[in-house]
Amino acid sequence: DSGVTQTPKHLITATGQRVTLRCSPRSGDLSVYWYQQSLDQGLQFLIQYYNGEERAKGNILERFSAQQFPDLHSELNLSSLELGDSALYFCASSVPRYSGANVLTFGAGSRLTVL
Amino acid sequence: GQNIDQPTEMTATEGAIVQINCTYQTSGFNGLFWYQQHAGEAPTFLSYNVLDGLEEKGRFSSFLSRSKGYSYLLLKELQMKDSASYLCAVRDRSRDDKIIFGKGTRLHILP
Repeated sequence: DSGVTQTPKHLITATGQRVTLRCSPRSGDLSVYWYQQSLDQGLQFLIQYYNGEERAKGNILERFSAQQFPDLHSELNLSSLELGDSALYFCASSVPRYSGANVLTFGAGSRLTVL
Repeated sequence: GQNIDQPTEMTATEGAIVQINCTYQTSGFNGLFWYQQHAGEAPTFLSYNVLDGLEEKGRFSSFLSRSKGYSYLLLKELQMKDSASYLCAVRDRSRDDKIIFGKGTRLHILP
């Protein structure tokens, strides 16, 4: 157990629907990252939050949104789902180690299947 | 922009040594990470390099040359459980310190 909790583990839904993925970071970690991993792509960076504020944005689609709440948990909302959104969605949190490196600790992921 | 290149697949034999290369292009290099990912599981941290040279940690070592935009992960005394994908990731100061991953190298270990 990495200490980063993601729910749900698996989700099957239909095109056009909306889902919410949830992440609780490791105790003490202030940063939360979201990544998407499809079969033919590597880990694609979506968005990063630090202590409730958006810190960096990747190639996140307009149909996707996220937020980090005061208790530091984060949610990733995916709407108007398309077949191509089927992927593993990972959340990671970070703690400074090695003189400031942001070593990411990943959750187990949420596997989304869009039918 | 940022490019991270690593071989797609490699095969090695149990007990042998394998070197997985990673090249990157970035305007604001601020550290390079290696992660291991078993199929269907979360990536786990292996190593971090920010200065040139070799970092050794048990059977795994990682090397960095910032001037060449090059790193490698060296795995010694390979075990069957080392069959996994190995992800190279770069932190980019010019892009809000984002940590960007390469597509990973799938390593197959043969008995």
